[in-house]
Amino acid sequence: AQTVTQSQPEMSVQEAETVTLSCTYDTSESNYYLFWYKQPPSRQMILVIRQEAYKQQNATENRFSVNFQKAAKSFSLKISDSQLGDTAMYFCAFILDGNQFYFGTGTSLTVIP
Amino acid sequence: KAGVTQTPRYLIKTRGQQVTLSCSPISGHRSVSWYQQTPGQGLQFLFEYFSETQRNKGNFPGRFSGRQFSNSRSEMNVSTLELGDSALYLCASYRRDQETQYFGPGTRLLVL
Repeated sequence: AQTVTQSQPEMSVQEAETVTLSCTYDTSESNYYLFWYKQPPSRQMILVIRQEAYKQQNATENRFSVNFQKAAKSFSLKISDSQLGDTAMYFCAFILDGNQFYFGTGTSLTVIP
Repeated sequence: KAGVTQTPRYLIKTRGQQVTLSCSPISGHRSVSWYQQTPGQGLQFLFEYFSETQRNKGNFPGRFSGRQFSNSRSEMNVSTLELGDSALYLCASYRRDQETQYFGPGTRLLVL
């Protein structure tokens, strides 16, 4: 069975600081894609970053970067220079070869001014 | 390109009624997925349609159904509404070459 685990239901960080959100997943497949989505209070789900499992290099998007450890099945999200607009629920997800998406239960992040 | 659109954005129904929600994917995207999001259950997969065929289905009762039209627009229907069906229903459009889903703004359904 495919599963995604986000063990931190809630986190907070001071504005301008760095925070890391954890995600682990379980699959026996070798070809898949990993994602972090952000859902602010507006409830609009926004793609933050995407990682292809066959790529060794960690993906980065401006202040957002991931630490992808394939052997450990770990996919953490690092947010640098946190901003108030980063306050949101963050979901980790993956997809296998064009099949169904699997989502974690989310981590609620609050950026404190 | 325009994003994923969902209509209506808000809906209030009473128990026993039925409801139809609509989703228009991003132009060129042929796959549409539906999710139910509630505070207690998180994001739950309902079903996915590709080229007018249901390709995947989540663990929901038969009261939840969907379809996809030739223009890739999708509808989901919930019959005999229950209080527990109150939720945010999200539609996602899938881009195959990037293996990525893009979400619509959602429809908030309140069942009284």
